[in-house]
Amino acid sequence: AQTVTQSQPEMSVQEAETVTLSCTYDTSESNYYLFWYKQPPSRQMILVIRQEAYKQQNATENRFSVNFQKAAKSFSLKISDSQLGDTAMYFCAFLIIVDSNYQLIWGAGTKLIIKP
Amino acid sequence: KAGVTQTPRYLIKTRGQQVTLSCSPISGHRSVSWYQQTPGQGLQFLFEYFSETQRNKGNFPGRFSGRQFSNSRSEMNVSTLELGDSALYLCASSLAPDDTQYFGPGTRLTVL
Repeated sequence: AQTVTQSQPEMSVQEAETVTLSCTYDTSESNYYLFWYKQPPSRQMILVIRQEAYKQQNATENRFSVNFQKAAKSFSLKISDSQLGDTAMYFCAFLIIVDSNYQLIWGAGTKLIIKP
Repeated sequence: KAGVTQTPRYLIKTRGQQVTLSCSPISGHRSVSWYQQTPGQGLQFLFEYFSETQRNKGNFPGRFSGRQFSNSRSEMNVSTLELGDSALYLCASSLAPDDTQYFGPGTRLTVL
C-alpha cells in the first residue's frame, strides 16, 4: 500500500529560526513525484515545492528546500529564516500510479506555528 | 494567468438536499481532481477527470458524482446530503494527470 507518514502533528518555532518537517513514504514504485503543500488559515492549499524521484539533486525554492533520501524513502522540508506568514498546515504528498491511474497520496499534515 | 476558481465558496444545506459545486481550472489545464477535507479524515480523494472522462475514483458512495465539460470546467454533485458530508471540498487542476496539481480556494459545505 502507498502511504505517507508525517510524524510531527505540531511544531512551533521562533521567527527567523530554521525548522525541518519530516515525511516518510512507502511505495514499491520507482517513478513518482513528491510535493510539499501548505494550507494557511485561509484554507487555500498552496504548492511549496516539488521533487522528481529520478532527480538526485534536492529541490530548492527560496527559503524552502528539501532533503530527499530515496533509499530511505524520506522527504523532509527545511524552512530557513522562518516568517510569521509560514504559519500553516504543511502536507507531504506523492503522485504515483495506482491501478493504472495517477493519484496524489497525502500525509496527515504537520501544523507549524511561527511565534514572534 | 488566473488560478483555479471554485463556486460557491460557502454553502449551507439541510439533510436530504442535494448540492452542486463548480470548479474552473487554470487555463490550459485538462485534468481536474476533487478532494474532501475534514478534521477527522484529512484529505480524501474523490475523483479525477481528464478530457471529460472520469479516470479515477476514490472510495466514496454513489451519492458523490461529477462531470467535466469540454472547456475542462468540472462540477461535483452530492445527493441526499448527510451530516457527515460537511467538509471543505477542494478542487485541483493540472496540465495532465501526471503533473503538479494547483488548488482552488475550496467550497465550505455545512449540512444541518
